[in-house]
Amino acid sequence: EEQLVESGGGLVQPGGSLRLSCAASGFTFSSYAMSWVRQAPGKGLEWVSGISASGGSTYYADSVKGRFTISRDNSKNTLYLQMNSLRAEDTAVYYCAKDPGGIAAAANNWFDPWGQGILVTVSS
Amino acid sequence: QSVLTQPPSVSGAPGQRVTISCTGSSSNIGAGYDVHWYQQLPGTAPKLLIYDNNNRPSGVPDRFSGSKSGTSASLAITGLQAEDEADYYCQSYDSSLSGVVFGEGTMLTVL
Repeated sequence: EEQLVESGGGLVQPGGSLRLSCAASGFTFSSYAMSWVRQAPGKGLEWVSGISASGGSTYYADSVKGRFTISRDNSKNTLYLQMNSLRAEDTAVYYCAKDPGGIAAAANNWFDPWGQGILVTVSS
Repeated sequence: QSVLTQPPSVSGAPGQRVTISCTGSSSNIGAGYDVHWYQQLPGTAPKLLIYDNNNRPSGVPDRFSGSKSGTSASLAITGLQAEDEADYYCQSYDSSLSGVVFGEGTMLTVL
């Protein structure tokens, strides 16, 4: 069974940093692109970032570009999201999700499966 | 405000059929990009329900179906059941934004 488990969330002050991790199992991690999607409290889904299977290509939503960095360690089957200069509006549950192929953020990509999500709260 | 518009809520009685619309534009659905649908039960992560407009992943009941025409797509649920009560999101790609886009979500209430 394909499984994704996020960790690293918590409470951080505005301007602070946090690193999320997503441990993958049940599939050949190095063959698939991966993405991060977030959901602010009571709001809808927002795609945040994607990374190709090899890690050579990365993509970001305009709302996080220059502040967040996506990366992966295929030897550890783990996806990361380094979040810097955090703002109150970054408060959300962050989900990692598997793309259907090796190319991230590609047209016609869908996400399956999703992790259980991890809460990030940015507040003083 | 999302580029994909969904009704905030829909409702139906058990056994009935409901549809949820997802309206886009010429830079996303109308440009030929596929539409995918997710179900999010209360307090849980989204789950893929329909991919590539009208395909169901293994394990999704055939009560769920998707369609796409022009700049819109629809999710239909027949034989409504209490456990279908959830939020539903459509997703596509937008060439103007060069990225993945989600609809605002629709809350389904089973009366």
